[in-house]
Amino acid sequence: ELKVEQNPLFLSMQEGKNYTIYCNYSTTSDRLYWYRQDPGKSLESLFVLLSNGAVKQEGRLMASLDTKARLSTLHITAAVHDLSATYFCAVDLDSRLTFGEGTQLTVNP
Amino acid sequence: DADVTQTPRNRITKTGKRIMLECSQTKGHDRMYWYRQDPGLGLRLIYYSFDVKDINKGEISDGYSVSRQAQAKFSLSLESAIPNQTALYFCATSDRGERLDEQFFGPGTRLTVL
Repeated sequence: ELKVEQNPLFLSMQEGKNYTIYCNYSTTSDRLYWYRQDPGKSLESLFVLLSNGAVKQEGRLMASLDTKARLSTLHITAAVHDLSATYFCAVDLDSRLTFGEGTQLTVNP
Repeated sequence: DADVTQTPRNRITKTGKRIMLECSQTKGHDRMYWYRQDPGLGLRLIYYSFDVKDINKGEISDGYSVSRQAQAKFSLSLESAIPNQTALYFCATSDRGERLDEQFFGPGTRLTVL
């Protein structure tokens, strides 16, 4: 059974600071996704990581994938309030996604 | 217009009632999924369908059934709703040939079972 764990589950940070969210998974997979969810809203796709060593960047967010370590990271650079949301990683196994518990990020002024 | 739509968006019902949640998509995707979201548990897969004639159970299918009426429509039914099925339900679609199975989510249905 595939298990996906994120940490931290809750993250409160100040604007301008950097931080990293970690996503560990238990079974070999070379496909991982990051999603963002605002309160009461649906999930918005952020990144699709398809191979070992993949790195994607969009604005203040950068995601990477290490399939050997079964680890993905979502790095936040110089956080701003608009990044406050819940972030999910999801690992693809046989075209089915298993989600992490989510990281609730709050960026304070 | 939204590519993935869900109806209803909100529903309150009573224990024992039969409920159907509907999902439609205009993305032309072959694959459709139903998830439920509970606080602190992320999303969990209920059922999925890779084409009209294919239906598969997910992680938590007990108490649920589905129908794939057409490529664009995938319905989730609760035959006899119970309070612990209170959750936020999401439909998603994907296409193996487009962005390699990246899933696109509908707006969600908030279901409350009293």
